[in-house]
Amino acid sequence: DSGVTQTPKHLITATGQRVTLRCSPRSGDLSVYWYQQSLDQGLQFLIQYYNGEERAKGNILERFSAQQFPDLHSELNLSSLELGDSALYFCASSAVTTSGSTDTQYFGPGTRLTVL
Amino acid sequence: DAKTTQPNSMESNEEEPVHLPCNHSTISGTDYIHWYRQLPSQGPEYVIHGLTSNVNNRMASLAIAEDRKSSTLILHRATLRDAAVYYCILRKTSYDKVIFGPGTSLSVIP
Repeated sequence: DSGVTQTPKHLITATGQRVTLRCSPRSGDLSVYWYQQSLDQGLQFLIQYYNGEERAKGNILERFSAQQFPDLHSELNLSSLELGDSALYFCASSAVTTSGSTDTQYFGPGTRLTVL
Repeated sequence: DAKTTQPNSMESNEEEPVHLPCNHSTISGTDYIHWYRQLPSQGPEYVIHGLTSNVNNRMASLAIAEDRKSSTLILHRATLRDAAVYYCILRKTSYDKVIFGPGTSLSVIP
């Protein structure tokens, strides 16, 4: 158990809908990352937040957005869903402290999204 | 962004050492080398990381070439539980984009 929790575990929805995925980082971790993993694309970095602020951005679609709240939990919002958005979505957290250091990421168990 | 290349797949016999290679010929002096692995149906988990010197921890060892253009993750005695996809990634700082390649799928034969 990494200490990172993600809800829900599974989500089934229809095209065009909007969903919210939730992540609670390990206690004390200030940084949260979101990843998408599909069979054909592998593990893709979407976005990173540090203490409520966006820090790094990857291949995140405009239909997707994220935020990190004052209690450090994070939400990933996916809207106008398409069939191709079906994937595993992972959240990770790390105890990033200074910009000159590198961190260890602890991954949650993931949310499996199925778009029908 | 510095890239890494790894073999698509490798096999090992149980209880034998495994050497998983990673090439990163365009690595810069400030890139850290990280290894993660992903067991079936689980999220990735951290294995080890290093900058220049070889590193050891309870899970594995990391051997970094002198020119830093390649590295090798060493599992000293493979177990069935080590069957996973192993990813080698480079990061300068904790605020860089994280780029995972396809990784190496390790099969462990009983």
